[in-house]
Amino acid sequence: DAKTTQPNSMESNEEEPVHLPCNHSTISGTDYIHWYRQLPSQGPEYVIHGLTSNVNNRMASLAIAEDRKSSTLILHRATLRDAAVYYCILMDTGRRALTFGSGTRLQVQP
Amino acid sequence: DTEVTQTPKHLVMGMTNKKSLKCEQHMGHRAMYWYKQKAKKPPELMFVYSYEKLSINESVPSRFSPECPNSSLLNLHLHALQPEDSALYLCASSQVGAGEGETQYFGPGTRLLVL
Repeated sequence: DAKTTQPNSMESNEEEPVHLPCNHSTISGTDYIHWYRQLPSQGPEYVIHGLTSNVNNRMASLAIAEDRKSSTLILHRATLRDAAVYYCILMDTGRRALTFGSGTRLQVQP
Repeated sequence: DTEVTQTPKHLVMGMTNKKSLKCEQHMGHRAMYWYKQKAKKPPELMFVYSYEKLSINESVPSRFSPECPNSSLLNLHLHALQPEDSALYLCASSQVGAGEGETQYFGPGTRLLVL
């Protein structure tokens, strides 16, 4: 599986935007970029995914570099409830499984 | 209904016990998964079922035995576990053939302690 690299932790202030980076230099042409997050004491939760183009949904935006070797998850206005571990995952639909990396622990300060 | 339910929430068992974890979804998903998560670590895939057939076994020891009796249910039978098997066991489900990556929906997990 292609590997992703994320910072171990990041801090943000409430109501400010947060940009969570992910490097995936060995991504293949068929890998989708998925983001999940895991709030304390809960199972992981889907956030967003994309292939080549930038994506927006009600939770976040995903910006994908033109060469697809990196991506950024954008939370437009962080809230205290966004404090979680965010995982950037490359998914090969042929395998149908998620390989989680170590993720980024996001702390949100009031 | 986008919920995956798991029972029990917590389980304590001895090394000679036999127990089962249960997972249920009613979203019509035909792929179901077991993941294991140790404390402060990311989830690790254990098994994948597709159309009630085992499609991936990530070299999991035989003391873990999965079962998919129908399209809504997934069980994980536990026997002769070791203390190092203590972890959060997560179940997930997804559509098959959704093309773009088959978003997985996770349950809250069963926290297992093996004494």
